[in-house]
Amino acid sequence: DAKTTQPPSMDCAEGRAANLPCNHSTISGNEYVYWYRQIHSQGPQYIIHGLKNNETNEMASLIITEDRKSSTLILPHATLRDTAVYYCIVRTKGHTPLVFGKGTRLSVIA
Amino acid sequence: GAVVSQHPSRVICKSGTSVKIECRSLDFQATTMFWYRQFPKQSLMLMATSNEGSKATYEQGVEKDKFLINHASLTLSTLTVTSAHPEDSSFYICSARDEKGETQYFGPGTRLLVL
Repeated sequence: DAKTTQPPSMDCAEGRAANLPCNHSTISGNEYVYWYRQIHSQGPQYIIHGLKNNETNEMASLIITEDRKSSTLILPHATLRDTAVYYCIVRTKGHTPLVFGKGTRLSVIA
Repeated sequence: GAVVSQHPSRVICKSGTSVKIECRSLDFQATTMFWYRQFPKQSLMLMATSNEGSKATYEQGVEKDKFLINHASLTLSTLTVTSAHPEDSSFYICSARDEKGETQYFGPGTRLLVL
């Protein structure tokens, strides 16, 4: 599976949109982009995934560039409870297990 | 989303004893489950892949005789840490892949402390 690069940490003001970038320049055509987050001392929580179209659900939006080499996870109105480590993972659907990198530690500040 | 449970959430044991951790997919059948381990301030590390009715596949460096995995049904996988030592103290997290094979869902984790 393709490797991803994320900034180690980010801050966001409460109530503002949090935009978390991910670079996956070696992604191949059948690989999906998945986003998970891990709140302290809990198991990872699935957020969203996509192939090439932008996706939105009740938690977040996923914007994938046209060349698919990068993506952005958007939390539209960040709250203090969104403070977590966010992981961007690229994998082929149904095949390999998720392999976690270091992620981005998002701190939402009041 | 799908729900995965783990039991116990926290366990303290003496060195040399064995500890069993259960992982259940509550509202879906999971032919494939995964076990991860996470040390403080580190990311999750995949330990093994467990397929229902067959032997688990272990990642390099993970001792299969020490970390026994059983996946006897489509909703239950167990991890037994045999002869636990203090260096086995960690956060163990299971994960189950949904029936479409699209998404992995994670349990809440089990914190193991070996004294």
